[in-house]
Amino acid sequence: GESVGLHLPTLSVQEGDNSIINCAYSNSASDYFIWYKQESGKGPQFIIDIRSNMDKRQGQRVTVLLNKTVKHLSLQIAATQPGDSAVYFCAENRGGGKLIFGQGTELSVKP
Amino acid sequence: DAGVTQSPTHLIKTRGQQVTLRCSPISGHKSVSWYQQVLGQGPQFIFQYYEKEERGRGNFPDRFSARQFPNYSSELNVNALLLGDSALYLCASSLGSSGYGNTIYFGEGSWLTVV
Repeated sequence: GESVGLHLPTLSVQEGDNSIINCAYSNSASDYFIWYKQESGKGPQFIIDIRSNMDKRQGQRVTVLLNKTVKHLSLQIAATQPGDSAVYFCAENRGGGKLIFGQGTELSVKP
Repeated sequence: DAGVTQSPTHLIKTRGQQVTLRCSPISGHKSVSWYQQVLGQGPQFIFQYYEKEERGRGNFPDRFSARQFPNYSSELNVNALLLGDSALYLCASSLGSSGYGNTIYFGEGSWLTVV
């Protein structure tokens, strides 16, 4: 079946620390994943994506790691800031505009 | 440049009524997708339209329909509203229909409450 899930529903970190948000998927044929950030009352905002021929991809303060062996990906946010507080979703791009989302991890940043 | 724009932002409807939600994609984007997001969950795919044709459909009843216009804007229609249709309806656009690098951008959504 279709399944993209996250390990923890909530994550609380201290400002300035690094955050790691995890995601597991079930379909071994999945080859394109995206992380979105959704702030309260807003639509999902694209953060970074990765294809299955990569193990790692870096953006500005964010890194996505993909482990195809255990079907797991993670989003690392460096030097977490209060503005990073939001719900983070991993999503699998199935093509044809179809994204399969997990339930999300709510990140809270303590000042 | 404007992002994906949706209207209305909030609306309240009564059970059994019909609703139309509207979406304008990012300029130059030809693909529009619709998602339903129930509180506390991730968005669920409803439809994709590309070049005015339906290209994909999620597991939603026939009460849900959509169309795409020549200017690539789109409307989502929901008939015979149920209480369970209360949700945030998200529109997303992308340049092409699929593929790596074809980033999908979301609008701010339309909050629908059915009473």
